[in-house]
Amino acid sequence: DVKVTQSSRYLVKRTGEKVFLECVQDMDHENMFWYRQDPGLGLRLIYFSYDVKMKEKGDIPEGYSVSREKKERFSLILESASTNQTSMYLCASISGLVAESTDTQYFGPGTRLTVL
Amino acid sequence: AQSVAQPEDQVNVAEGNPLTVKCTYSVSGNPYLFWYVQYPNRGLQFLLKYITGDNLVKGSYGFEAEFNKSQTSFHLKKPSALVSDSALYFCAVRGYGNNRLAFGKGNQVVVIP
Repeated sequence: DVKVTQSSRYLVKRTGEKVFLECVQDMDHENMFWYRQDPGLGLRLIYFSYDVKMKEKGDIPEGYSVSREKKERFSLILESASTNQTSMYLCASISGLVAESTDTQYFGPGTRLTVL
Repeated sequence: AQSVAQPEDQVNVAEGNPLTVKCTYSVSGNPYLFWYVQYPNRGLQFLLKYITGDNLVKGSYGFEAEFNKSQTSFHLKKPSALVSDSALYFCAVRGYGNNRLAFGKGNQVVVIP
């Protein structure tokens, strides 16, 4: 089975702190994604990566950056956390060329981040 | 652009009754359609998908969904709901050639014992 893990289930940070959210997948997937989930808004794509050191902005990249130095690991960085970044963050991965793939995205358990 | 509409915020159903969660989509070209389920404080779990072929797709936990191209719908169904089916359900679509999924807002399903 595909396994996507996230470094923390719950995280509490203060406004202005730099925050790192880590995601690791063990199935050698080329593509990895970061979403945030908010009630009534569903899942919104922040960034995704289709290869090591390659990234593409999603729908809501402002206030976030990402890093992918190794194929299995994709990090989401909040340079200066703000209260409006309090949310559930979900990581996902998928194999192959995403635009043609019939595979499904596999999700991690999520990190619930609270910014005070 | 691609998008998904899940018109109902919450669906209440009595245990043992049929469950339907509605989804309509908008996409250019052929759609790839997915249903995911999320239990409290958990990530999304894949239920089923439509790629091509038979319009009726069967998935995990007794769920099925019917692809209707003319109505651009992909409703999720279960003949007899269980209390354990209470969760948040997401419909998602990706058009062929597009490299990202579009998710609906989600439907909270509450199965009443």
